[in-house]
Amino acid sequence: EVQLVESGGGLVQPGGSLRLSCIASGFSLSSHWMSWVRQAPGKGLEWVANVKQDGSERYYMDSVKGRFTISRDNAKNTLYLQMNRLRAEDTALYYCARDPCGDGCFSGYFDSWGQGTLVTVSS
Amino acid sequence: SYELTQPPSVSVSPGQTAKITCSGDSLPKQYASWYQQKPGQTPIIIIYKDTERPSGIPERFSGSSSGTTVTLTISGVQAEDEADYYCQSADSSNSFLGVFGGGTKLTVL
Repeated sequence: EVQLVESGGGLVQPGGSLRLSCIASGFSLSSHWMSWVRQAPGKGLEWVANVKQDGSERYYMDSVKGRFTISRDNAKNTLYLQMNRLRAEDTALYYCARDPCGDGCFSGYFDSWGQGTLVTVSS
Repeated sequence: SYELTQPPSVSVSPGQTAKITCSGDSLPKQYASWYQQKPGQTPIIIIYKDTERPSGIPERFSGSSSGTTVTLTISGVQAEDEADYYCQSADSSNSFLGVFGGGTKLTVL
């Protein structure tokens, strides 16, 4: 069974940093593009970033470019999101999500999601 | 920037057909997917590649595409279909940049 379990969320002051983790099980992380998607309280879904199977390509939404870094450690079956210079508008539940296409390809949608980890940016 | 536009809400009586639209300039070039999210739950994929339905998703859910608009159709709506629905696609010039629509709240009257 595919499982994604996020952690690392919490309360942080504006300008602070957090690192989110997503541990994958039930499949080979190294075969799939992975993404982070966030959802502000009471709001819609927002794609944040994604990373290629080997980490060689990464893409970001405009508002997090230069502040967030997505990475992965396939040996540890773990996806990361390093978030720096956090703003109040980054407050959200952060999900990691799997692209279903394995073996080096890219589908562009998400077939498995974690339960999310909540990030609150507030003074 | 790239955006997908959905109506904020759609209401339908049980047994009727609900149609939720999603519009965006990238849609003629990029596939769209649809997700269902019920309160307090994780989103689930219900349509991918415009029209494909994952295994386990009821046949009453279908997708279509025409130009800059994709449509999710729910035939014979049931009370359990009340949820938020999101379309998702990519930037027209860079398939790796994802984007979600703002979401549509489906209310079953």
